[in-house]
Amino acid sequence: GAGVSQSPSNKVTEKGKDVELRCDPISGHTALYWYRQRLGQGLEFLIYFQGNSAPDKSGLPSDRFSAERTGESVSTLTIQRTQQEDSAVYLCASSKGTYTDTQYFGPGTRLTVL
Amino acid sequence: KNEVEQSPQNLTAQEGEFITINCSYSVGISALHWLQQHPGGGIVSLFMLSSGKKKHGRLIATINIQEKHSSLHITASHPRDSAVYICAVRYISGSRLTFGEGTQLTVNP
Repeated sequence: GAGVSQSPSNKVTEKGKDVELRCDPISGHTALYWYRQRLGQGLEFLIYFQGNSAPDKSGLPSDRFSAERTGESVSTLTIQRTQQEDSAVYLCASSKGTYTDTQYFGPGTRLTVL
Repeated sequence: KNEVEQSPQNLTAQEGEFITINCSYSVGISALHWLQQHPGGGIVSLFMLSSGKKKHGRLIATINIQEKHSSLHITASHPRDSAVYICAVRYISGSRLTFGEGTQLTVNP
């Protein structure tokens, strides 16, 4: 089936606005991850969803960041009152089961905050 | 100081050369991943290791748990291997991946 998809592919917003990023995982994958990659830097973990368990939110950088996932389907990452330092590529990945399984990455959403 | 260190940061090779990229980490892990990030940004998982060695085509990944070290080897390198190679570990105590800074590989024809 299809891989992980993300939308939009690019988002330009003004400082202070809220943005919502979407991730559609591979069908049947119970685990879903959000990562951030700032320009020229490595990947940073943001949040991990596993089935109906409470998500691991330990990577979220501030309370402006939140994420939701309905069951084992779509996830949205919301950034409120965006700041210029939020500019990055936001990547979503999913895996079949637990965190011991191979992760499949989406193409990412490039967020630019002016 | 990154908990996951990769070397070298940048590597330029001629087509056909044997490539080695190294990754070291500081505490016990449950798994180590090697990822490939293409110039366009897309990320592909190459290997997931918890012990020993894995091979896929021209790619070989090894891990030494006692020494907390892993290597990714590319045999008979090709310009299409040009990409950023990223090492990531999952610590025994957690669910998240911690990433190295990546190694930029350029293979010239």
